[in-house]
Amino acid sequence: GQQVMQIPQYQHVQEGEDFTTYCNSSTTLSNIQWYKQRPGGHPVFLIQLVKSGEVKKQKRLTFQFGEAKKNSSLHITATQTTDVGTYFCCRLRGNTGKLIFGQGTTLQVKP
Amino acid sequence: DAGVIQSPRHEVTEMGQEVTLRCKPISGHDYLFWYRQTMMRGLELLIYFNNNVPIDDSGMPEDRFSAKMPNASFSTLKIQPSEPRDSAVYFCASSFTSRGRNEQFFGPGTRLTVL
Repeated sequence: GQQVMQIPQYQHVQEGEDFTTYCNSSTTLSNIQWYKQRPGGHPVFLIQLVKSGEVKKQKRLTFQFGEAKKNSSLHITATQTTDVGTYFCCRLRGNTGKLIFGQGTTLQVKP
Repeated sequence: DAGVIQSPRHEVTEMGQEVTLRCKPISGHDYLFWYRQTMMRGLELLIYFNNNVPIDDSGMPEDRFSAKMPNASFSTLKIQPSEPRDSAVYFCASSFTSRGRNEQFFGPGTRLTVL
């Protein structure tokens, strides 16, 4: 199918270390969305990227959309225990409103 | 705003029983989605509606699953008969599709356990 692939699947870091998760597609994406799901919680929208080479920041989180619009990354600077959770990238399928979710990257932060 | 409301939050039932999950989307949203999440399969889209009309039900596992949206403020997902492999967290989400922004708002989920 037209999935988006995320790596790594799991990441354990020490509090204060940086963290990056990558999202890749074999086809050009019209946009990419990122969601965060805390343990026991539900996915919560973080951001949407639509422009080639776009970079957006939310405090310690930096989101990038590749120049070719086939990949994206989420970087967290100086992780905190509140960053624990699973981060999903997903693509919007055409004009359908349907999101295709990646497998997610689960982040564990050791205090 | 109350957000997306789902009920019940937890459901424990026995194999063979009928299960009905309920969802109230955010007022004004024109899309409604039903997802299932398990450790093995991750987050799967089961079905979604646009303006109360089912658009894509290709993710519905089998005929035991059915979903309805009788009006803009209510949807149900029914499993009849339920099986242990249906145990999962079921999320409902809604969105308002406009140019430039299509974020989905998820409900808290229903944790279903079929014994």
